[in-house]
Amino acid sequence: NAGVMQNPRHLVRRRGQEARLRCSPMKGHSHVYWYRQLPEEGLKFMVYLQKENIIDESGMPKERFSAEFPKEGPSILRIQQVVRGDSAAYFCASSGTGSHNSPLHFGNGTRLTVT
Amino acid sequence: GQNIDQPTEMTATEGAIVQINCTYQTSGFNGLFWYQQHAGEAPTFLSYNVLDGLEEKGRFSSFLSRSKGYSYLLLKELQMKDSASYLCAVRAAVLKDSNYQLIWGAGTKLIIKP
Repeated sequence: NAGVMQNPRHLVRRRGQEARLRCSPMKGHSHVYWYRQLPEEGLKFMVYLQKENIIDESGMPKERFSAEFPKEGPSILRIQQVVRGDSAAYFCASSGTGSHNSPLHFGNGTRLTVT
Repeated sequence: GQNIDQPTEMTATEGAIVQINCTYQTSGFNGLFWYQQHAGEAPTFLSYNVLDGLEEKGRFSSFLSRSKGYSYLLLKELQMKDSASYLCAVRAAVLKDSNYQLIWGAGTKLIIKP
């Protein structure tokens, strides 16, 4: 079952380290979205990518955060110099098209804890 | 601004019916989604509405009124496995060039009791 795969499932980093979160979309999907979720809160949009292109990064913090979706390999969300406030669940979702009625398929998320 | 409101928590009894409401105020509207999310797991797609009316899918139905900025998710014949958070998401224009994004409610935690 080639669903959306995220790894690692859990990631612990000390303040100041880098966190790299990986997402492989569903087979055949070329649209990838990253979301952040705090406990008891809704999903907050971060970035929308297609292969090799960032389409919308309006939800990404201007500093320390970056995302890519290379021609080959998974999408990567990179957080440099992590701080305690970065602790959250980060979900990746993919869709086959960017159509307005195309549902998103989510991975199981990466839970980042910054100590 | 963009705003989506859902009750924080609801409780219902196994075998009963429950209605989870969602109201929204967004700039532009291009569809409303309902997702189910069990604790510690990924959200999973339940339904999509873009026109007014009721969409039925087995035990779950979703209703939309665009003029009222209102939707509900109706769950029938509740089972213990339906205990989860239910997320309402609206596709709305958030940028000047009308690029659409999904705006998410905080979710309604549904607790099913025997």
